[in-house]
Amino acid sequence: QVQLQESGPGLVKPSETLSLTCTVSGGSISSYYWSWIRQPAGKGLEWIGRIYTSGSTNYNPSLKSRVTMSVDTSKNQFSLKLSSVTAADTAVYYCARVGLPGSYDYWGQGTLVTVSS
Amino acid sequence: QSALTQPPSASGSPGQSVTISCTGTSSDVGGYNYVSWYQQHPGKAPKLMIYEVSKRPSGVPDRFSGSKSGNTASLTVSGLQAEDEADYYCSSYAGSNNFGVFGTGTKVTVL
Repeated sequence: QVQLQESGPGLVKPSETLSLTCTVSGGSISSYYWSWIRQPAGKGLEWIGRIYTSGSTNYNPSLKSRVTMSVDTSKNQFSLKLSSVTAADTAVYYCARVGLPGSYDYWGQGTLVTVSS
Repeated sequence: QSALTQPPSASGSPGQSVTISCTGTSSDVGGYNYVSWYQQHPGKAPKLMIYEVSKRPSGVPDRFSGSKSGNTASLTVSGLQAEDEADYYCSSYAGSNNFGVFGTGTKVTVL
């Protein structure tokens, strides 16, 4: 059974960079797309971007200038960096596996990141 | 690319059926048979309930069914149970060079 686990600081200061890592266990990270999705409190899901195990990426245009994703196949991990954060970036951040096109079949439990000084 | 449109809320009594719509465009919902649906209970991660418009992953009850007509997809929950009370989100593939898109979300209440 594939499992995903997000890790990273729960508190980030405004203007700094949010950094999260997703560790995949129970299966190989290879040959799949992997996504980051976030959800502000009380609001809907927002797609941040996706990365293939080759390193190819697609980002949400509204976040593209601030987002960087990377993958480390040797560690079965992929990562998210979001720069110049503001309070509007406060959300639960999920990592997920892209199964068939347009579907996310495995999700991490989510990690709350709060942007505050 | 805009979020897919869902009604904010839907409700039904135990044993009844409820149907949630998800409206997009010909560039996403209408252009591909890759619509998926997710159930999210408070404080939990979303769970895949339907993929490829109407297919259920292993372990999802057959009370959950999906369909699509034109640019609108639908999720029907038959025989409503208390544990079906949750938020539901749709998602659609929108082409290999497009980013992902989710629906606005629907809160289902079991009366």
